[in-house]
Amino acid sequence: DADVTQTPRNRITKTGKRIMLECSQTKGHDRMYWYRQDPGLGLRLIYYSFDVKDINKGEISDGYSVSRQAQAKFSLSLESAIPNQTALYFCATSDSRQGIYGYTFGSGTRLTVV
Amino acid sequence: AQSVSQHNHHVILSEAASLELGCNYSYGGTVNLFWYVQYPGQHLQLLLKYFSGDPLVKGIKGFEAEFIKSKFSFNLRKPSVQWSDTAEYFCAVNADNAGNMLTFGGGTRLMVKP
Repeated sequence: DADVTQTPRNRITKTGKRIMLECSQTKGHDRMYWYRQDPGLGLRLIYYSFDVKDINKGEISDGYSVSRQAQAKFSLSLESAIPNQTALYFCATSDSRQGIYGYTFGSGTRLTVV
Repeated sequence: AQSVSQHNHHVILSEAASLELGCNYSYGGTVNLFWYVQYPGQHLQLLLKYFSGDPLVKGIKGFEAEFIKSKFSFNLRKPSVQWSDTAEYFCAVNADNAGNMLTFGGGTRLMVKP
């Protein structure tokens, strides 16, 4: 089993719909992150969480919200999806005890908003 | 805020050709530098990293990168590419004022022709 699991792997949704992307991890890491990947723009940080009670906005948080239900689970929601949110979304985890050394990425969720 | 530039968006090489992918960053302080690889349909994996010491770092699969502080660069090299190196490559920077956060470049898509 993967250390960082994202569901779903692919999703097509309509404009205006609410959608949730889920991420769970078995690494025991305390920190979790959501990135989106767009061609030519690399990965941009949406939200991050350093522990269950800590949620922080990243570079491009508008239109997104998150929930850290447990140390192992970090969900990303699009309250009202729009076409320019079509992208590949990655969840990542890291361990504060390892500092910058131990990022682990999930396999990604490809989201298409039509 | 720091930024990371990868000037080559697409590179096509024949097998056995030499590879050099450029990466430049904009932060003037202390940095930690990374190269990640994303094979088709897979998550990001760490190729190599630089924290301190010898500016020439060796990673997995025959890749190496050289940190040139005066040029704010961390270029990735491989003397002889293989078809299996076809992937997207991302440079990432962690600045000493950014905690545990990574800033990614836009990525370089490499295609190796057999």
